[in-house]
Amino acid sequence: EAQVTQNPRYLITVTGKKLTVTCSQNMNHEYMSWYRQDPGLGLRQIYYSMNVEVTDKGDVPEGYKVSRKEKRNFPLILESPSPNQTSLYFCASSPGPYNEQFFGPGTRLTVL
Amino acid sequence: SQQGEEDPQALSIQEGENATMNCSYKTSINNLQWYRQNSGRGLVHLILIRSNEREKHSGRLRVTLDTSKKSSSLLITASRAADTASYFCATDRMNTGFQKLVFGTGTRLLVSP
Repeated sequence: EAQVTQNPRYLITVTGKKLTVTCSQNMNHEYMSWYRQDPGLGLRQIYYSMNVEVTDKGDVPEGYKVSRKEKRNFPLILESPSPNQTSLYFCASSPGPYNEQFFGPGTRLTVL
Repeated sequence: SQQGEEDPQALSIQEGENATMNCSYKTSINNLQWYRQNSGRGLVHLILIRSNEREKHSGRLRVTLDTSKKSSSLLITASRAADTASYFCATDRMNTGFQKLVFGTGTRLLVSP
């Protein structure tokens, strides 16, 4: 089944404790993105990647890192999480520019 | 920065009625997409309309695009309770290479039996 998977689905952590949210897709898509969703603000793009080893900042990249060492994986790293990073995070992949995006199920992160 | 703004923010209708949601955006686009999100879950792509298209249909969905007014509408005909969800428009910005999709804040649709 074609899908985007994210892990973990739920995470409660404390300020400053490094964490990684994994994202994997099995559709051989070149393009992948991370978004965060907050009430009243919609989805905002954090980072995106056009291919292996090619990443760039979205609209809200502060406090996040990403890497794209393999085509299928695009982990999101929070080196020192803070409470304002409490949010619902989505990973998405796409076969090409200006195509539909396929979203993962989301990761609900709470930073205390 | 918000590119798309949906209107209304919330819409409540009865089963069988039609639901219309609008999206306005600010800059020139390559295409506009509509997505649905059931509560707290991942977004599901509904339809993509390119900047040179004016109307597109998919089942009970009808999307229009007016690039001169920088607006789009999503019409769901003969709505069902299962259509209850949030609906988002997403636009890309022309000439930015990769699809830097920008989502609106969404319309929450409630369809009552």
